Amino acid sequence: GEDVEQSLFLSVREGDSSVINCTYTDSSSTYLYWYKQEPGAGLQLLTYIFSNMDMKQDQRLTVLLNKKDKHLSLRIADTQTGDSAIYFCAERRGGSARQLTFGSGTQLTVLP
Amino acid sequence: AAGVIQSPRHLIKEKRETATLKCYPIPRHDTVYWYQQGPGQDPQFLISFYEKMQSDKGSIPDRFSAQQFSDYHSELNMSSLELGDSALYFCASSWEYNEQFFGPGTRLTVL
Repeated sequence: GEDVEQSLFLSVREGDSSVINCTYTDSSSTYLYWYKQEPGAGLQLLTYIFSNMDMKQDQRLTVLLNKKDKHLSLRIADTQTGDSAIYFCAERRGGSARQLTFGSGTQLTVLP
Repeated sequence: AAGVIQSPRHLIKEKRETATLKCYPIPRHDTVYWYQQGPGQDPQFLISFYEKMQSDKGSIPDRFSAQQFSDYHSELNMSSLELGDSALYFCASSWEYNEQFFGPGTRLTVL
């Protein structure tokens, strides 16, 4: 999506941490999401964060939100080869609209 | 746990034909969304329904229409298909403003 930006590619070694970054433009965004898409598959909801939070941790996943800079990141600890996929951040904007605006996706490649 | 069901999973059509995609939301979810994902692109919002009424409209072509039925399933009707309509079509559902869960998608190929 033109208003949500992500870097296109990230390569890490198995066992290292991965950090996937996302910037968004709408300061009224209420919820921000991370989805994972494996080749030819659907979108799997990984985690989300409400805009009044700074951080959310869920097992190997840590989401950091810097609302001032409109910057969102997803950290995957102890990255495994099964984590190789495209990761999309998405925002749900304020108001009555419920649809999501997605970033362009980051292709994460985990090297053995 | 029950997930969003989409049918068919794959569909091949000729130019100018019509196609109907079906979506069965997670039980008790009241909102259905349709997204289109072109090759190598991010999903783009098409249209959504809340309690069987159209709630939001995105970049849906006039050739496409959709509705949500009394049992909450939704259908996306696509007419006068063009080559550029080839894409993955996702349906997602949510309960009110909560997180959206996506189906596996329907891969439409227009020849």
